[in-house]
Amino acid sequence: AQKITQTQPGMFVQEKEAVTLDCTYDTSDPSYGLFWYKQPSSGEMIFLIYQGSYDQQNATEGRYSLNFQKARKSANLVISASQLGDSAMYFCAMRESSSNDYKLSFGAGTTVTVRA
Amino acid sequence: SAVISQKPSRDICQRGTSLTIQCQVDSQVTMMFWYRQQPGQSLTLIATANQGSEATYESGFVIDKFPISRPNLTFSTLTVSNMSPEDSSIYLCSVEDGEPGSYEQYFGPGTRLTVT
Repeated sequence: AQKITQTQPGMFVQEKEAVTLDCTYDTSDPSYGLFWYKQPSSGEMIFLIYQGSYDQQNATEGRYSLNFQKARKSANLVISASQLGDSAMYFCAMRESSSNDYKLSFGAGTTVTVRA
Repeated sequence: SAVISQKPSRDICQRGTSLTIQCQVDSQVTMMFWYRQQPGQSLTLIATANQGSEATYESGFVIDKFPISRPNLTFSTLTVSNMSPEDSSIYLCSVEDGEPGSYEQYFGPGTRLTVT
C-alpha cells in the first residue's frame, strides 16, 4: 500500500501568493516523522521542514509551514509569499520509527510553477 | 546540518561499464543511505550503509549490481555495475543528522547518470 500520497501532479501559483501542497500518509506506527523536500531542476534534494508525530505545534520554517492534521493523517505544506525561485518539485516523505532502518518513504511529488 | 558532497556530479557512460559514485560528509554519521530517482519518478531507497557492516539492500536491489562500501563514518561509495540504459537516473546519498530524535535526513547534490 502507498504510504505517502500526493494527489497534485502540478500546480501554478502567482508570485507573492500562498500555495498549499497536499500530502496524506498511511501508517499504524504511533511514532513517525514527516518531511518535505524541494527538488529544483538541478536535482538536489533540499530539506525544508520536519514534523514529528508527537509534536504539539505545527512546524514552521520561514515561509514554509506544515499543516499537520493527525486524525486525518495529512501533512500539507504551505508556502507563503511565493517567489520565482520556489518553482520546483516538492516531495513529502515519512519515516516510521518502528522501522529500524531509518528509511524514508516518498510520495510521487508535486511540481510547483510560480508565475510572475 | 551535515554538508554532503558527491562525485561525480554527472556522467555519461556506455552500457556494460561500471561507475563508482562517492559520497563525502563533513561530520561523522552513523547511517548513510543511497537512493535512486529514475526520470520523472520519486526517490527509491537502494540500500542503507552502516560503517563496519554490510549494506542492507531493499527489495529489488542486489549487491552484485550495486556494491556499496562504507570504510569510515564520513564516506561511502556506490557502484552501478554492468550498466544498461535503465540505470539512467539521479543517484543520491543521504545521512541522518540534526537534533537527537529529529530524524532529519539530508541529501547530497546527486549524481546524474546517463547510460547510452
